[in-house]
Amino acid sequence: GAGVSQSPRYKVAKRGQDVALRCDPISGHVSLFWYQQALGQGPEFLTYFQNEAQLDKSGLPSDRFFAERPEGSVSTLKIQRTQQEDSAVYLCASSLAGQVYAGNTIYFGEGSWLTVV
Amino acid sequence: DQQVKQNSPSLSVQEGRISILNCDYTNSMFDYFLWYKKYPAEGPTFLISISSIKDKNEDGRFTVFLNKSAKHLSLHIVPSQPGDSAVYFCAAGGANFGNEKLTFGTGTRLTIIP
Repeated sequence: GAGVSQSPRYKVAKRGQDVALRCDPISGHVSLFWYQQALGQGPEFLTYFQNEAQLDKSGLPSDRFFAERPEGSVSTLKIQRTQQEDSAVYLCASSLAGQVYAGNTIYFGEGSWLTVV
Repeated sequence: DQQVKQNSPSLSVQEGRISILNCDYTNSMFDYFLWYKKYPAEGPTFLISISSIKDKNEDGRFTVFLNKSAKHLSLHIVPSQPGDSAVYFCAAGGANFGNEKLTFGTGTRLTIIP
């Protein structure tokens, strides 16, 4: 597709429910990132894939969060047993090259807005 | 520990004037910096970046200045246009952060007054 596509755009989950958020990166992009943006805050890094390899998951807040990219394209962020503090916008981003540097643009999707009630 | 700080949550500027958005950072290991623009209900859009070996980068109406000794960068928009009204995020990264992790500030909401 032309840009990074995320689904669902909006999700309301009951506390304790599992959710899965999908990301379709720009075709051919090697790198894929997940960020979490709480209300009034900047995006915070969750995890990074280079092709199908998850090279950095240091930002995942707990073991309830799990991300995968099995074929090196589409990625899924799964949150188990959701809690109210998980309410945020989950942003997916992709970039062409394997690493981020000043000249390598990261393209963000529109985000998946998760509300846990 | 907020390593990238945008101390002004909002800024209003008259159309045609210069908009100056500021960003401070605490970690001297960052070696590149980026500005992103975000409209409501959309993802952040890359605007301009600068490597730590430079002190200025210009792209059309947008210029980013980097003062490494002060750990400060700023984004200048001139002349400001109504379409520039958005939230602007400063972000930083570098080889010491795996070259894949960006640290964002909390954003500044810019409003251009017609």
